[in-house]
Amino acid sequence: GENVEQHPSTLSVQEGDSAVIKCTYSDSASNYFPWYKQELGKGPQLIIDIRSNVGEKKDQRIAVTLNKTAKHFSLHITETQPEDSAVYFCAANSPETSYDKVIFGPGTSLSVIP
Amino acid sequence: EAGVAQSPRYKIIEKRQSVAFWCNPISGHATLYWYQQILGQGPKLLIQFQNNGVVDDSQLPKDRFSAERLKGVDSTLKIQPAKLEDSAVYLCASSLTLNYEQYFGPGTRLTVT
Repeated sequence: GENVEQHPSTLSVQEGDSAVIKCTYSDSASNYFPWYKQELGKGPQLIIDIRSNVGEKKDQRIAVTLNKTAKHFSLHITETQPEDSAVYFCAANSPETSYDKVIFGPGTSLSVIP
Repeated sequence: EAGVAQSPRYKIIEKRQSVAFWCNPISGHATLYWYQQILGQGPKLLIQFQNNGVVDDSQLPKDRFSAERLKGVDSTLKIQPAKLEDSAVYLCASSLTLNYEQYFGPGTRLTVT
């Protein structure tokens, strides 16, 4: 089955700097890669996703890149703000099923220092 | 629109006791998911319903965990008997149907002592 790894596990950046979180997946048939943000005491919230037919997707200060050959994808947050502090999870779908069963990575705790 | 509701938010029980969690999905959402999130890990899918039918329960420890969604709306997840390793946050999520964006509830934090 699908396995998703994520690095780094913790990340501290100064406000205004960029943050990059990297993930790798094991199954070359995976074709859907969502990213979730989880704030303390809340459930994960989808912030951006990408499908395998594109290599990059942007939404304001957030972008995701996908390299299918290398089986890795990354989240880029520019001009970080204190409210970006949270745990971020990457995920990949498990293509052995007929529906989007999503496998989550272990998470990255991002701290933005004012 | 109202989000996914879960109760209770916190629960502390002793090992070998039983516990039940409740989830009310977003109105009109056909697909409902239960995840287990152990501290420091990503959510792991336990069971997925489409209306009142089970789509996937391959990761559900069926000797102690059970879940139902009788009328295709609310759902309950039960653990009986609980073990120390069941301490985790139990997240409920719903989506319009299969392969659509999942919306998560706030979770129930379970501590087994």
